[in-house]
Amino acid sequence: GNSVTQMEGPVTLSEEAFLTINCTYTATGYPSLFWYVQYPGEGLQLLLKATKADDKGSNKGFEATYRKETTSFHLEKGSVQVSDSAVYFCALWQVTGNQFYFGTGTSLTVIP
Amino acid sequence: DAGITQSPRHKVTETGTPVTLRCHQTENHRYMYWYRQDPGHGLRLIHYSYGVKDTDKGEVSDGYSVSRSKTEDFLLTLESATSSQTSVYFCAISESTGGPETQYFGPGTRLLVL
Repeated sequence: GNSVTQMEGPVTLSEEAFLTINCTYTATGYPSLFWYVQYPGEGLQLLLKATKADDKGSNKGFEATYRKETTSFHLEKGSVQVSDSAVYFCALWQVTGNQFYFGTGTSLTVIP
Repeated sequence: DAGITQSPRHKVTETGTPVTLRCHQTENHRYMYWYRQDPGHGLRLIHYSYGVKDTDKGEVSDGYSVSRSKTEDFLLTLESATSSQTSVYFCAISESTGGPETQYFGPGTRLLVL
């Protein structure tokens, strides 16, 4: 079956620290991988995506590389800001049934 | 921002009462989804629709039904609400063209079943 596992939170970092949020997946076939972000009181928004192995998705200083050999899609940012405080969800998409499978989310708090 | 609204945004109800949540889109997207979000579980798919009157079950469909009589509206009904259905419910839409598509999410409905 399909599933996504991401690191437990919450994560607390100081401003300008380096961020890594780990995500691994299990899937049949060749899924596409996504990171979504949820700010307090809002719905999820797409942060970045990668559709095939070795692709790198990037947006707003965040990036993640689709690693088929390790079935991973870790999210990284070199220097976080207070405004990056949110919950981050890793997800995979399968063409069969056009369904998404989400991880449990990782809460990030950035302190000044 | 994608035009997705959910109503109501907040609801408190009692066990055993019926509840209907509405998702409305102005994007004319084909696919619509209902998820629930709970601590420790992330988002779990309840039901989805791939066209008018075309729906299918997701991972956690027990106790829920859906209807889609128009492209723009997707209704989620709890026939007899239970406390385990206390959650935040999100609607999402996407337009599949055969490849991986971004989902756009509504603002959510917070439901409390007493």
